[in-house]
Amino acid sequence: QKEVEQNSGPLSVPEGAIASLNCTYSDRGSQSFFWYRQYSGKSPELIMSIYSNGDKEDGRFTAQLNKASQYVSLLIRDSQPSDSATYLCAVDTGRRALTFGSGTRLQVQP
Amino acid sequence: DVKVTQSSRYLVKRTGEKVFLECVQDMDHENMFWYRQDPGLGLRLIYFSYDVKMKEKGDIPEGYSVSREKKERFSLILESASTNQTSMYLCASQGRDEQFFGPGTRLTVL
Repeated sequence: QKEVEQNSGPLSVPEGAIASLNCTYSDRGSQSFFWYRQYSGKSPELIMSIYSNGDKEDGRFTAQLNKASQYVSLLIRDSQPSDSATYLCAVDTGRRALTFGSGTRLQVQP
Repeated sequence: DVKVTQSSRYLVKRTGEKVFLECVQDMDHENMFWYRQDPGLGLRLIYFSYDVKMKEKGDIPEGYSVSREKKERFSLILESASTNQTSMYLCASQGRDEQFFGPGTRLTVL
């Protein structure tokens, strides 16, 4: 079992809709969780971090964490074509380095 | 803003050459990382360093070495480049928890 799992997609949503990206992780001791956005040919860019159970909102982005279910998600409201990218989930499993999922490709259709 | 720079965006080398990839960060971060990213395989950790002259192997260290003589600079060395080391190489610097990535070096080994 991979330590951090994401559906590779592509996830296709119409412009203006809510995009929901999901991530599960295997290490119950994980404390810190991150979402990165990566445009094609570019490096990952940090967009959200979350450390405690519940929701954390930042503009159109909401990160949700459920440690009991070992599940973290990212919601993008009012999706725009410029949100089309690969979204990487990353988890701090306590070994100093983050563990990344393989990413979910999001396509927002105009 | 954290700035992580990498010495080259694109590099073409021949099999057997010694290759140096350099990364510099300007935020006095303790931790620095080298990843490679390949289609379908996601981000894979090669090496990381948590202090000057300190290093730890990541998940795929074979064929690579690293050097950290100064806090701001972390170098990745391919002792004898091979075609299977053709990849995108990403350097990252870590503050409290969050990792910030450089722009990446796309290395092609012929």
